Amino acid sequence: AQKITQTQPGMFVQEKEAVTLDCTYDTSDQSYGLFWYKQPSSGEMIFLIYQGSYDEQNATEGRYSLNFQKARKSANLVISASQLGDSAMYFCAMRDLPGSQGNLIFGKGTKLSVKP
Amino acid sequence: DAGVTQSPTHLIKTRGQQVTLRCSPKSGHDTVSWYQQALGQGPQFIFQYYEEEERQRGNFPDRFSGHQFPNYSSELNVNALLLGDSALYLCASSLTSGRAFGANVLTFGAGSRLTVL
Repeated sequence: AQKITQTQPGMFVQEKEAVTLDCTYDTSDQSYGLFWYKQPSSGEMIFLIYQGSYDEQNATEGRYSLNFQKARKSANLVISASQLGDSAMYFCAMRDLPGSQGNLIFGKGTKLSVKP
Repeated sequence: DAGVTQSPTHLIKTRGQQVTLRCSPKSGHDTVSWYQQALGQGPQFIFQYYEEEERQRGNFPDRFSGHQFPNYSSELNVNALLLGDSALYLCASSLTSGRAFGANVLTFGAGSRLTVL
């Protein structure tokens, strides 16, 4: 069965510094997608970045990049130049079925706190 | 462009009661998924609706049921509420297409927080 593991319950980072949030996954599928979402205290899940299993290059979206190491089954999120507004819960997720219909399987999340 | 809207935002019920949560998808989206997020956990998939039918279901009992209307909006119904049903219920919408994974990003609402006493 597919599984997402986030081993860091909480992380602290100084404003303007970079931070890496860890994510490992387990699947027997060859074709899958990996996602990162941000959840502020308001509750809404905000999409950050996506990586396909066949994508050769690491995904980047502004200050967010995904360090994808397929052999290690890891998909770590790197946030550069942290801002106070980055303080939130961050969830790694995987789509478990080929095609667009598969649901997302989430990890337990990492709470990021940005210090001024 | 309005995103996903959910109602109510908060509600309190007692054990054994029934609850209905509502969701309007993002404009242009035709697929609605529901997730349950218990305190301190990641969201768990309940079910997904497309073309007014349940297309996929997670590991939730039959007490959890849903509906999708012709305008793509959706309802989640939970019968015989248990204390363990207390959670944030998230609705997510997407556009079903023939493309591979990446295009179908889920857009989430802010959720309905249910407390069962």
